[in-house]
Amino acid sequence: DAGVIQSPRHEVTEMGQEVTLRCKPISGHNSLFWYRQTMMRGLELLIYFNNNVPIDDSGMPEDRFSAKMPNASFSTLKIQPSEPRDSAVYFCASREQVNNSPLHFGNGTRLTVT
Amino acid sequence: DAKTTQPTSMDCAEGRAANLPCNHSTISGNEYVYWYRQIHSQGPQYIIHGLKNNETNEMASLIITEDRKSSTLILPHATLRDTAVYYCIVTRSGTSYGKLTFGQGTILTVHP
Repeated sequence: DAGVIQSPRHEVTEMGQEVTLRCKPISGHNSLFWYRQTMMRGLELLIYFNNNVPIDDSGMPEDRFSAKMPNASFSTLKIQPSEPRDSAVYFCASREQVNNSPLHFGNGTRLTVT
Repeated sequence: DAKTTQPTSMDCAEGRAANLPCNHSTISGNEYVYWYRQIHSQGPQYIIHGLKNNETNEMASLIITEDRKSSTLILPHATLRDTAVYYCIVTRSGTSYGKLTFGQGTILTVHP
């Protein structure tokens, strides 16, 4: 199993540009999570999906952030327009939707907004 | 979810057991203790979890006190590759599990 796959691994963009982060969960996993990690705030949950449906997006910081899951094997996190304070490592994670099934994280996308 | 308290950092000699403590004095009866770790530049990795019984897997052992107010993660023979940030998380089980709240964790440094 290839694990959770995120792309790109690194993204550098200028303020005001649109950024799209991509995630392919582990096959068979029907819950998907987007986290953000910064030095100041640590790991924060942004949004999660069950069976492609957004369940809780209370962690999404602003309307500039949006996430979609058009099918069971793909999700995107979009920031439009991006700002320097969005610079962080963004992690995608997936799990089977059964009791106590652990989260499996990707290796993240390091976003730098200049 | 119950709050957890962990030491900021710990050191361990290679080959020795690493014992990482975690306090969770406000844990509820239906809350589990989970441990994850994060090696530099990687995503967090699941280690182990338990409710009230001690647990062991190929990575580690989890010892939970009888009153469930604290626990210890044991890496029996630490290697340099075990250097990482270790997170203790208390959360309810169930299909909504995944809303993990990560604290600052314990930075474990394994030295030769």
